[in-house]
Amino acid sequence: DTAVSQTPKYLVTQMGNDKSIKCEQNLGHDTMYWYKQDSKKFLKIMFSYNNKELIINETVPNRFSPKSPDKAHLNLHINSLELGDSAVYFCASSQGLQGGKVIETQYFGPGTRLLVL
Amino acid sequence: GQNIDQPTEMTATEGAIVQINCTYQTSGFNGLFWYQQHAGEAPTFLSYNVLDGLEEKGRFSSFLSRSKGYSYLLLKELQMKDSASYLCAVRDYARGGGNKLTFGTGTQLKVEL
Repeated sequence: DTAVSQTPKYLVTQMGNDKSIKCEQNLGHDTMYWYKQDSKKFLKIMFSYNNKELIINETVPNRFSPKSPDKAHLNLHINSLELGDSAVYFCASSQGLQGGKVIETQYFGPGTRLLVL
Repeated sequence: GQNIDQPTEMTATEGAIVQINCTYQTSGFNGLFWYQQHAGEAPTFLSYNVLDGLEEKGRFSSFLSRSKGYSYLLLKELQMKDSASYLCAVRDYARGGGNKLTFGTGTQLKVEL
């Protein structure tokens, strides 16, 4: 019944490794997002996909690569992990355009707590 | 650019009313959201304003003045479980659909007995 789910919930890894975080939504939404929340709790958007198409790509190192195999899934792959990548990563989804009217509310997943050692 | 300001912390008493303010200066605006985030959990949607005025939802109300770049979240009859971070977020459209939320740094509310 979980609306937006992420795996894994916790991820502890060494610097230099490559890791992936997966996100799935069963709400039938068209748009999905990745956010990063740092140690000061500041929540900042990284990427957004609408119907598998990248529509938001903020100033994020190119070590971060999102992939959307279908509109219900948005994964985040991170290469060559650095200490500064330690944060909580939240996936979210929203309905996007529906009948010409933009439905806005974003629903967040439980977060993935990434710790890079 | 986007600039969203909220107080960092507030403390209030159980049963009381608290108002959390948010001011914004953004290049685009198409609505303002309030989210609640308990420690270690995901943000959850509380309210949305796109037109000026007050939106009421049970114990929570949110107000917007677009001309002043100002919003507040009003919490009535405070309960201990309301202790959380409250995030103000401004929406702007993204090309190709969807929407982009820019969040403030959040206001940590502590409700005391």
